[in-house]
Parts: sequence; C-alpha cells; structure tokens
Amino acid sequence: SQQGEEDPQALSIQEGENATMNCSYKTSINNLQWYRQNSGRGLVHLILIRSNEREKHSGRLRVTLDTSKKSSSLLITASRAADTASYFCATVSSSSASKIIFGSGTRLSIRP
Amino acid sequence: NAGVTQTPKFRVLKTGQSMTLLCAQDMNHEYMYWYRQDPGMGLRLIHYSVGEGTTAKGEVPDGYNVSRLKKQNFLLGLESAAPSQTSVYFCASLAGAQETQYFGPGTRLLVL
Repeated sequence: SQQGEEDPQALSIQEGENATMNCSYKTSINNLQWYRQNSGRGLVHLILIRSNEREKHSGRLRVTLDTSKKSSSLLITASRAADTASYFCATVSSSSASKIIFGSGTRLSIRP
Repeated sequence: NAGVTQTPKFRVLKTGQSMTLLCAQDMNHEYMYWYRQDPGMGLRLIHYSVGEGTTAKGEVPDGYNVSRLKKQNFLLGLESAAPSQTSVYFCASLAGAQETQYFGPGTRLLVL
C-alpha cells in the first residue's frame, strides 16, 4: 500500500476561502513533499519539509509536519480559481532516501 | 535546458506487444524514477535508479524492466503488454535525496 494517504479525497470550496489537505504516512521519513497536478498534466513541486522541521511557508502555502503523528497538512490561503488541481504528498523514507512514494491525492475544486 | 522529456507522448499497443519508453534529463541528476498513474489515482513507483548502471524495484515492478546505461537516460520496457498496463507513465529525476523531483510531461499508453 502507498506510504502517504491524503484526506479528504475531494474538496470543493468558494474562491477566497482557505483549503486544508492532510497527509498521513506509515514509516519514518527523511522529508515530505507536496506536489500539484493540473488535469492531464505532469506534477509540479510545491514545497519540501524536512523531518526536523515543523512548519514551512511559501507564498500562500503553509505546510506543517508532525512526525509523532506521522502526518502533514497543506494549507492554501485565499484560494483562487487557478488553485483547482489535484494535490499529492510524497514521502522520502529515512531508510531508503532515494525511494519516493506518493499518496492518492486530494482533488481541490475552487468555485467562483 | 529541456528538463525532463519523455518519448513517446502517446502509444497504442496490442496485448502481447513490447515497447520501450524513454526518459531523458539534461540536469545531470543522479536519481531517476518511473511512475504510473491510473485514472483518479496517485502515482505508483515502478522502478527507480540512484545512478548510472543501477536500478531498483519500486511498489509495482512486475511486468516492467528498466535500464540506466547512461546517466541522462532511463528506459522503461514492457516485454509483453497487458491491458492492466494501460496508464499514464511519468518519469522524474532529482539531484539528491533532499532535493525535489522534476517531472516529465507523461506518456499515455493504451493496451488493447
């Protein structure tokens, strides 16, 4: 089974609202990464958070990491129509630092 | 720089046929990856490579073989295609364990 599992599977919010997605994983990690995928396109890297970090910001994105709970969250503030996409977390195992496993993703829809 | 490129973009195969997907990167990255993505799903790791001449199995390696004869190229082979291998295949590369992945645009494969 996949290392990372996202929650919720789908999220629909009004433009301007904040969107929160969660990711849970099973084993010890080296780092955790979030990616965005627009429909029919490849993945674009958003942010990387290392295992010794608890929070990271990049523009309207805020990522938290709780290694004791083996979970991470991605917050997108002041959502825009262009944020409509699927969002995936990916974990890099601490025992196999080159092996990157993706979760099943959250489909985010922003209503105008 | 072209980044990560994939050839072909789209292919239709009959059951039992063989083919090779080519991934090329011009960023001098050590690590390269092959994933498959089924509709509405996340990415599943097929095989990966941590350097020229090395390969390793991912989550779903059965039915696929890979080779990394040159640092810049990572080939994915299907010896005898099956309908279950109908998917979108993504290649990715990264410089090191704490870095982020760069993805190719994907190859859509349909096996009839």
